[in-house]
Amino acid sequence: DAGITQSPRYKITETGRQVTLMCHQTWSHSYMFWYRQDLGHGLRLIYYSAAADITDKGEVPDGYVVSRSKTENFPLTLESATRSQTSVYFCASSEPPAGTTGTSPTDTQYFGPGTRLTVL
Amino acid sequence: GQNIDQPTEMTATEGAIVQINCTYQTSGFNGLFWYQQHAGEAPTFLSYNVLDGLEEKGRFSSFLSRSKGYSYLLLKELQMKDSASYLCAVGPLDDYKLSFGAGTTVTVRA
Repeated sequence: DAGITQSPRYKITETGRQVTLMCHQTWSHSYMFWYRQDLGHGLRLIYYSAAADITDKGEVPDGYVVSRSKTENFPLTLESATRSQTSVYFCASSEPPAGTTGTSPTDTQYFGPGTRLTVL
Repeated sequence: GQNIDQPTEMTATEGAIVQINCTYQTSGFNGLFWYQQHAGEAPTFLSYNVLDGLEEKGRFSSFLSRSKGYSYLLLKELQMKDSASYLCAVGPLDDYKLSFGAGTTVTVRA
């Protein structure tokens, strides 16, 4: 099916374990993003990627690692999970119009359904 | 960086109008987005403003004043299904990242 999917949808893990959250989009969008959403903080950007093999830090990158070997996939890894990483994680993608800089009306970000992660 | 403020909660009656304000302070600005997010679901795009003024889309309208760093989302003829969180997001001048406000939870009562 076309769209953006995330897996798993729910995950419970323990402190210190490594966890990888998967994100897959079928639109071939160049940009992909990882956010976490916590009460009172809204959506905060963790990492983003402008294209395959190009990634950059967002607002809250500490404790997370990303990779983008293929345009359609953008996995997020928590190398050693901590309780403070309990959150809902959203992946998003967008396709900025060619030749533009900065956001534009057609540069809507499309969000995946989210992964609810609990770290015990 | 970006500093975005919006009210935490608002309550309104079915059929009424609600206005959600968003103020922002930013080092560079290209446009402002509004997203809707129902409980337990992903955010979905509602509107985008880049120029000053009002953009109308059916029951929803969004206003922007760049000089005042101010936007509002106007929801008219409220329906129960409009109960959701509304997120204000600012797009910078030279990047595609968005900075989101904490969201305003709107509850529509019968």
